[in-house]
Amino acid sequence: QQQVKQSPQSLIVQKGGISIINCAYENTAFDYFPWYQQFPGKGPALLIAIRPDVSEKKEGRFTISFNKSAKQFSLHIMDSQPGDSATYFCAASTILTGGGNKLTFGTGTQLKVEL
Amino acid sequence: EPEVTQTPSHQVTQMGQEVILRCVPISNHLYFYWYRQILGQKVEFLVSFYNNEISEKSEIFDDQFSVERPDGSNFTLKIRSTKLEDSAMYFCASRYRGSGNTIYFGEGSWLTVV
Repeated sequence: QQQVKQSPQSLIVQKGGISIINCAYENTAFDYFPWYQQFPGKGPALLIAIRPDVSEKKEGRFTISFNKSAKQFSLHIMDSQPGDSATYFCAASTILTGGGNKLTFGTGTQLKVEL
Repeated sequence: EPEVTQTPSHQVTQMGQEVILRCVPISNHLYFYWYRQILGQKVEFLVSFYNNEISEKSEIFDDQFSVERPDGSNFTLKIRSTKLEDSAMYFCASRYRGSGNTIYFGEGSWLTVV
């Protein structure tokens, strides 16, 4: 129930195309859904995040679509660029009773944007 | 932009040896975390630390692991007797009390146990 399922595992997109990564969850206690971008040898960096009371959030070329009833959310990267080539992780957050919150990560999607 | 810094970036250790990984969280953050990522796999939660105590730990965080915030700025992860399966990238992370739920990650410490 604590899992976050992510697909696809890998994705190749042409420059200028749209990259779409999907995630699904079961636990209704998740209250915050961030996407992280990770380059090889680096730590995850927050890309964009959404709360479950919002159906869509857009920041520049990145959009999260959120379907609360289906327990699914997705990341859309418009006008994909070679510099977007990285691993993308969806995550879901739960509040900890002792303070703070905990992220449960998806399995990651390796995106490659080709010229 | 403030960032979480970690040392060392890479450490090789013999099986059974003790390892300490160090982190300096972002200065006004109040929640501190360790996550790990085995090569090619997802990032996994290890432990969260708030108000000088562990607020939650995962099943991975057994008696071989401990965390400490010895001086109000550093946050350390100690592995008492390393095993081969402890080889992973360890990420320190921190969060400000009022920044929503945004957790900021360091660049990681790559631990290789031989």
